[in-house]
Amino acid sequence: GQNIDQPTEMTATEGAIVQINCTYQTSGFNGLFWYQQHAGEAPTFLSYNVLDGLEEKGRFSSFLSRSKGYSYLLLKELQMKDSASYLCAVRGFKTIFGAGTRLFVKA
Amino acid sequence: ETGVTQTPRHLVMGMTNKKSLKCEQHLGHNAMYWYKQSAKKPLELMFVYNFKEQTENNSVPSRFSPECPNSSHLFLHLHTLQPEDSALYLCASSQDRETGARENYGYTFGSGTRLTVV
Repeated sequence: GQNIDQPTEMTATEGAIVQINCTYQTSGFNGLFWYQQHAGEAPTFLSYNVLDGLEEKGRFSSFLSRSKGYSYLLLKELQMKDSASYLCAVRGFKTIFGAGTRLFVKA
Repeated sequence: ETGVTQTPRHLVMGMTNKKSLKCEQHLGHNAMYWYKQSAKKPLELMFVYNFKEQTENNSVPSRFSPECPNSSHLFLHLHTLQPEDSALYLCASSQDRETGARENYGYTFGSGTRLTVV
């Protein structure tokens, strides 16, 4: 079957680093997305990984290991505005989403 | 605004009502989607349209009826809903082919309609 697992909630401190993990089992694999969704707002694109390895974009980095069915989103220098849900989505024959990880950033 | 506009933002309806959700995109995308987002659950794909043709219906109850008159507009007609249908309904659009910047490969979502069925 197809499945995406992410932790339900995480809490981190402003200025710190947090890693949000995502494991997946899907039919086919073309790429993996990370989206950010603030409460009551649209999910917005953060990253798209196709090949193994780490891709960095500012304070956010995303890692992919296709052989392990594993990805993580790394957020550095956390800010209060980073409090949001982070959705992992895998593009295979279909695009399926995880339930999201709610990140709380505390002062 | 993300480029995908949904109206209304909030909707409260009785189980015997008929209402419609509207989605509009002017990004030049050729695929449009309806997703249901319930609390603490993954986004559930409901319908997919490519070039105005419905290509996917994920076993959605007939009380939800989509309509795609052109590649920029998508509707979701609702009738005789149940309280468990209360959720955030998200519209999204995308390009069918992967060209250009990676940001173009993913979906652009609207802000959603928060639906409450009473």
